Amino acid sequence: EVQLVESGGGLVQPGGSLRLSCAASGFRFSDHYMDWVRQAPGKGLEWVARVKNKANFYSTQYAASVKDRFTISRDDSKNSLYLEMNRLKTEDTAVYYCARVKLVSAVSPGRPFDNWGQGTMVTVSS
Amino acid sequence: DIVMTQSPLSLPVTPGEPASISCRSSQSLLDSDGYHYLDWYLQKPGQSPQLLIYLASNRASGVPDRFRGTVSGTDFTLKISRVEADDLGVYYCMQARQTPLTFGGGTKLEIK
Repeated sequence: EVQLVESGGGLVQPGGSLRLSCAASGFRFSDHYMDWVRQAPGKGLEWVARVKNKANFYSTQYAASVKDRFTISRDDSKNSLYLEMNRLKTEDTAVYYCARVKLVSAVSPGRPFDNWGQGTMVTVSS
Repeated sequence: DIVMTQSPLSLPVTPGEPASISCRSSQSLLDSDGYHYLDWYLQKPGQSPQLLIYLASNRASGVPDRFRGTVSGTDFTLKISRVEADDLGVYYCMQARQTPLTFGGGTKLEIK
């Protein structure tokens, strides 16, 4: 069974830092692109960042709202995904979801999020 | 960035009746492989989102055939043939054609 378990959320002051983790199990983690998606309280979904797999050089992509402040990374040896968040703002307050991208291949197109974690809450407030 | 516009905002439906949710993209989501990179997700109350449809019309594993996705140009539609009580929640479309990935604002399906 695929499992994605986020941790590391909490209360932090504006300008502070936080590191989120996502522990993956039940699948070959190293094969998949992995993303972070967030949801502010009572609001819709917002894509945050992506890290591709080793075959695609672990390349990363970011939403403009977090670029230069957040860093996504992965450790395939630990089946773990991370999000380092710096210079946090009040508008970063949200539930942060770890999401697995469906296996990317030429014979099976599509890049949807086929599995999501339960989320971890980040609150940025003084 | 590609803007995704969903409608309606709220959709009250009687169980057993059909429902339809629309999503329009500001740019074509048709990739060079011939597929439209548009996904549909359902977020049930208190839960994480779950995948319903990918590539505009492909049902995800375990999704009942009451759910169907269609496309016409940059207009996408999610159709539920017969709504059940378990279908309530917020439905989101998302374009996966290019980063930044972008979501529609959501449609809240409510059971009458």
